[in-house]
Amino acid sequence: GAVVSQHPSWVICKSGTSVKIECRSLDFQATTMFWYRQFPKQSLMLMATSNEGSKATYEQGVEKDKFLINHASLTLSTLTVTSAHPEDSSFYICSAAMTGRWFFGPGTRLTVL
Amino acid sequence: GQQLNQSPQSMFIQEGEDVSMNCTSSSIFNTWLWYKQDPGEGPVLLIALYKAGELTSNGRLTAQFGITRKDSFLNISASIPSDVGIYFCAGHQAGTALIFGKGTTLSVSS
Repeated sequence: GAVVSQHPSWVICKSGTSVKIECRSLDFQATTMFWYRQFPKQSLMLMATSNEGSKATYEQGVEKDKFLINHASLTLSTLTVTSAHPEDSSFYICSAAMTGRWFFGPGTRLTVL
Repeated sequence: GQQLNQSPQSMFIQEGEDVSMNCTSSSIFNTWLWYKQDPGEGPVLLIALYKAGELTSNGRLTAQFGITRKDSFLNISASIPSDVGIYFCAGHQAGTALIFGKGTTLSVSS
């Protein structure tokens, strides 16, 4: 199946700093990528839809100025958590769709101290 | 955000038993998918369903797309220890992202 990678796989940062997470589709082009957040023992919650070459579409309740999304190419989308706080600690997962199937990255564990 | 109703929330079974879980929605979906997630990893696609009434198997796994397009079920036959994990259903409507169920945590004792 198609491969989606994420980097880094885990990151620990101090409160107030910014963290960038990369999501790449390794063997296919993705005009649309999706960013999810998953808290412990909970399901994946959609944060935003990232469209190549245009602004991301954010779900209700997700601060677009705090979670900056850039989809610069057909194989790369980045999520930047700005001025991170402990409540932003979570598992962030990206997804890319191809021919009616959705493939997920391995996730990035963010811990904000 | 919107979520699907997935049940049961958790299951504790003996190795060799069959397992069944289901998802329902108040909305119609064009696609139903079932994923498995191991701790600390992203979801892995198990089965994708694209037509109402469709019944699809993947090894010991069988899933069906409900006739009403508002539900789906996943069966696992003859469970083994490596089936342990969290199973998520997901639905898709045209022009939207995947919507996930709350997950079913499966524990298998040998």
